[in-house]
Amino acid sequence: GAVVSQHPSRVICKSGTSVKIECRSLDFQATTMFWYRQFPKQSLMLMATSNEGSKATYEQGVEKDKFLINHASLTLSTLTVTSAHPEDSSFYICSARWHPPSYEQYFGPGTRLTVT
Amino acid sequence: GENVEQHPSTLSVQEGDSAVIKCTYSDSASNYFPWYKQELGKGPQLIIDIRSNVGEKKDQRIAVTLNKTAKHFSLHITETQPEDSAVYFCAASRTTDSWGKFQFGAGTQVVVTP
Repeated sequence: GAVVSQHPSRVICKSGTSVKIECRSLDFQATTMFWYRQFPKQSLMLMATSNEGSKATYEQGVEKDKFLINHASLTLSTLTVTSAHPEDSSFYICSARWHPPSYEQYFGPGTRLTVT
Repeated sequence: GENVEQHPSTLSVQEGDSAVIKCTYSDSASNYFPWYKQELGKGPQLIIDIRSNVGEKKDQRIAVTLNKTAKHFSLHITETQPEDSAVYFCAASRTTDSWGKFQFGAGTQVVVTP
């Protein structure tokens, strides 16, 4: 149980275009989903937290107009990187949390984004 | 806010030996402490967690200990195997936080040599 998928696993896009990453909880309902960014050999940096049906809460320094998050259902959240630039190239990982009172977060396999 | 420090940053062990990774946290209200294993190019995998109402938890070759007074917790891996090689992250969280956000440590690269 507690499987989270992400699609695509890898994406290459041209500078200036937008790319959408999907995060799905496959066997449980996730009231809360998290989006992280990870640079090589570094820890996970939380970008934003989203609850189903409400607006995402972004961490300080993360541009909400650049990283659009939609949590449309209890099993799907999407991250859209708008007008991507090479500095947006990174490993993006989502996680999903079960209904409270569970505290665990289960992570997806990640999406490697390369902007050329 | 919460700050989690993790040591060591790299750890090399011979197969069969034990590995210990330590984390300290700053927020005394933190009460949930998970450990994740991340293999190269993959997402983190939850391997064990502990809540502040217990001092130790074990799952086969993996154990976690928590010292609330000193605000530190440790991951112990016994009888290490090459497949234990990965980056391990600790995290701390307040369960009273409605979002349940985690603060992660910087990670420990564990290399198990045959």
